[in-house]
Amino acid sequence: DAKTTQPPSMDCAEGRAANLPCNHSTISGNEYVYWYRQIHSQGPQYIIHGLKNNETNEMASLIITEDRKSSTLILPHATLRDTAVYYCIVRYQGAQKLVFGQGTRLTINP
Amino acid sequence: DTGVSQNPRHKITKRGQNVTFRCDPISEHNRLYWYRQTLGQGPEFLTYFQNEAQLEKSRLLSDRFSAERPKGSFSTLEIQRTEQGDSAMYLCASSSREGSYNEQFFGPGTRLTVL
Repeated sequence: DAKTTQPPSMDCAEGRAANLPCNHSTISGNEYVYWYRQIHSQGPQYIIHGLKNNETNEMASLIITEDRKSSTLILPHATLRDTAVYYCIVRYQGAQKLVFGQGTRLTINP
Repeated sequence: DTGVSQNPRHKITKRGQNVTFRCDPISEHNRLYWYRQTLGQGPEFLTYFQNEAQLEKSRLLSDRFSAERPKGSFSTLEIQRTEQGDSAMYLCASSSREGSYNEQFFGPGTRLTVL
């Protein structure tokens, strides 16, 4: 699985968009980009995933660059409940295990 | 709510004792995973079951660790002769074969403290 690089921490004001970057310069053509988050004292929670195209669901948007070497997770209107560690994971379709890095600790400030 | 459940939520034990954790996956999920998470780190994969078959094990799963999933339903993770380095959060996840992206649903974890 390709390695990912994320900033260790970020802050965002409540109500603003939170943009979390991830570098995955060694990603291969059949590897997907997944995002999970882990709120304190809970298990990780799936957010979104994508291959090439930008994706949006009820939780977030995922923007993947054309060369697929980086991506950005966007939480459009961050709330205090979005404070969590966010993990960017690169994974082959059909691969079973998730390989977590250290993630980005996002703090939403009132 | 029929999410993934894990028991116990917390376990304190003395070094050298055996411990066993239980995971109940989401009903009808045929895949079950165990991960371990130490403080400040992301979860690390330990092992994976498809139905009752254990298909993949990490090198982190030493001889003192054993996982089972009889009948392809709940799973247990046993640690024998615990060591202080085993102190961690043990997370269980499950997924369905349906869907192309194999989203994993995680339980709340069992926090193990070895004194």
